[in-house]
Amino acid sequence: EVQLVQSGAEVKKPGESLKISCQGFGYSFTNYWIAWVRQMPGKGLEWLGIIYPGDSGATYSPSFRGQVTISVDKSINTAYLRWTSLKASDTAIYYCARPRGSSTNCYDFWGQGTLVTVSS
Amino acid sequence: QSALTQPASVSGSPGQSITISCAGTSSDIGAYIYVSWYQQNPGKAPKLMIYDINNRPSGVSSRFSGSKSGNTASLTISGLQAEDEADYYCSSYTSTSTVVFGGGTKVTVL
Repeated sequence: EVQLVQSGAEVKKPGESLKISCQGFGYSFTNYWIAWVRQMPGKGLEWLGIIYPGDSGATYSPSFRGQVTISVDKSINTAYLRWTSLKASDTAIYYCARPRGSSTNCYDFWGQGTLVTVSS
Repeated sequence: QSALTQPASVSGSPGQSITISCAGTSSDIGAYIYVSWYQQNPGKAPKLMIYDINNRPSGVSSRFSGSKSGNTASLTISGLQAEDEADYYCSSYTSTSTVVFGGGTKVTVL
């Protein structure tokens, strides 16, 4: 059974750094892209970017390029989303998602979400 | 890149059909077949309902169907049921190899 298991909720202060994770189970991790999607409180879905674990190649939304870094450690089937200096506006639920087959754009498996709260 | 444009809310009575529109541009919806629709219930992760304009993943009811005309995609739910009440999001692949979502539509079953 395909599963994406994300790391637990985080509470951070503005200016702090953070890395959250998404571990894949039940499939060949290096053969499928992993995307990250943000959902701010009470708001819609926003696409941050996507990475291919096979070669660590990543593409970012123009809105998020430079704001976050997506990486992967294929030895432990895990993708990461990292911030170097959090802002209050980064408060959101962050989902990782795996696309169907070789596509990069439609996601049929999702993690449970990681709630990130940034508050002084 | 701007979010795709969806109506904030759509409602219908049980048994009726409703259609949710998703307006994009010639750089996203208009350029590709890669339009998807997701259903999201409160506190849950999104669920893929339609991909590549009008294809349903295994297990998704045939009451859900998709279409596209020009720069606008649509999701139709026929035979509306109480369990269909949720938020729905469209998404599209773009000419810059990224993905853009719509703002979301809240479906209410009256």
